[in-house]
Amino acid sequence: EAGVAQSPRYKIIEKRQSVAFWCNPISGHATLYWYQQILGQGPKLLIQFQNNGVVDDSQLPKDRFSAERLKGVDSTLKIQPAKLEDSAVYLCASSSHEQFFGPGTRLTVL
Amino acid sequence: AQSVTQPDIHITVSEGASLELRCNYSYGATPYLFWYVQSPGQGLQLLLKYFSGDTLVQGIKGFEAEFKRSQSSFNLRKPSVHWSDAAEYFCAVGPTLGDYKLSFGAGTTVTVRA
Repeated sequence: EAGVAQSPRYKIIEKRQSVAFWCNPISGHATLYWYQQILGQGPKLLIQFQNNGVVDDSQLPKDRFSAERLKGVDSTLKIQPAKLEDSAVYLCASSSHEQFFGPGTRLTVL
Repeated sequence: AQSVTQPDIHITVSEGASLELRCNYSYGATPYLFWYVQSPGQGLQLLLKYFSGDTLVQGIKGFEAEFKRSQSSFNLRKPSVHWSDAAEYFCAVGPTLGDYKLSFGAGTTVTVRA
């Protein structure tokens, strides 16, 4: 089966700019997650969707981060405006009976 | 709140030698524990998981882990390391069966020397 797809794989922006990441989960997976992985740390959950509804966004910095999953399939994560400390790898994962991770988007904020 | 500690930031091991990576968790209820591996530029791959039952869990790539409730540990082991095992390893804990809202440790980087 096809895995979790993410794009772009790499993105470099300047601080205060906006950026968006896209995730296409495994077909049929109702649950989708976005994680932030800062260099030298483990992934940290940002938001969890069940179909097109938000289950948990308690760790999402809502003043600058937003995410949506309008049709219960693809999801986008947006940062506006970006800060230096947002430099990280953003991982998308989806789950049914098991969780699978995408390759991630590496964001560098200059 | 659930949390995971991986005490070793970096481990170097010779090819063919055994490997053990430590993981300690903090969770009030029954923990659901996972080990993932991340190779450079790759996504996280599940090595093994523990939900209940036998405390010695077998995973892929020859890895196993042992759950010890008395020590709040879930250490990962491999009897004989291959050069391809060089990667970063993450221990994680989840809240309930089937819920993959995971809390990860900071990871242990494994270097394999010839």
